[in-house]
Amino acid sequence: AQTVTQSQPEMSVQEAETVTLSCTYDTSESDYYLFWYKQPPSRQMILVIRQEAYKQQNATENRFSVNFQKAAKSFSLKISDSQLGDAAMYFCAYRSMDSNYQLIWGAGTKLIIKP
Amino acid sequence: EAQVTQNPRYLITVTGKKLTVTCSQNMNHEYMSWYRQDPGLGLRQIYYSMNVEVTDKGDVPEGYKVSRKEKRNFPLILESPSPNQTSLYFCASSWSWQVTGELFFGEGSRLTVL
Repeated sequence: AQTVTQSQPEMSVQEAETVTLSCTYDTSESDYYLFWYKQPPSRQMILVIRQEAYKQQNATENRFSVNFQKAAKSFSLKISDSQLGDAAMYFCAYRSMDSNYQLIWGAGTKLIIKP
Repeated sequence: EAQVTQNPRYLITVTGKKLTVTCSQNMNHEYMSWYRQDPGLGLRQIYYSMNVEVTDKGDVPEGYKVSRKEKRNFPLILESPSPNQTSLYFCASSWSWQVTGELFFGEGSRLTVL
């Protein structure tokens, strides 16, 4: 069974600096999706970025980018020019390509932005 | 506005008193799902539905029921709630689940069972 591990329960960064959140996963599949979701204090989960496993190019969305290392099964999220509004829980998730398309979630990393 | 709406947002109830958490989406999504979120465990899937009248168990279905009689609605039913069902619940939907896996989430329902 697939697993997703976020080894950093909490991270803090100074406003305007760059921070990297780590995520590793375990799977025997060759094709899958990986996601980073953000959960601000309002609680609603918001998709930050998505990566297809068959794509070698790392996904980027404005200040958010990923470092996808398929062989190492690593999927880290880099946030550049951190802003106060980036403070949230960040969840890494893996989407299987099998018949039920199950989504496996990491435990989350709490990101604190210091003004 | 495209959204997933859950009600109630907050609920305190007692053991054994049946309750329903409603979920409605206005995006004509085929796929809908319920998750529970507990500290240190991330999100765990309770039930999901690929389309009307099609539902299936997720990782933690015990103690829950769902139905999908209409495309837009996917209620979560706790027939006899117990304290271990105290949690934050999320409903989510997707139009392109098989293709992209992107989910749209409701704002969550905080349930406390005494």
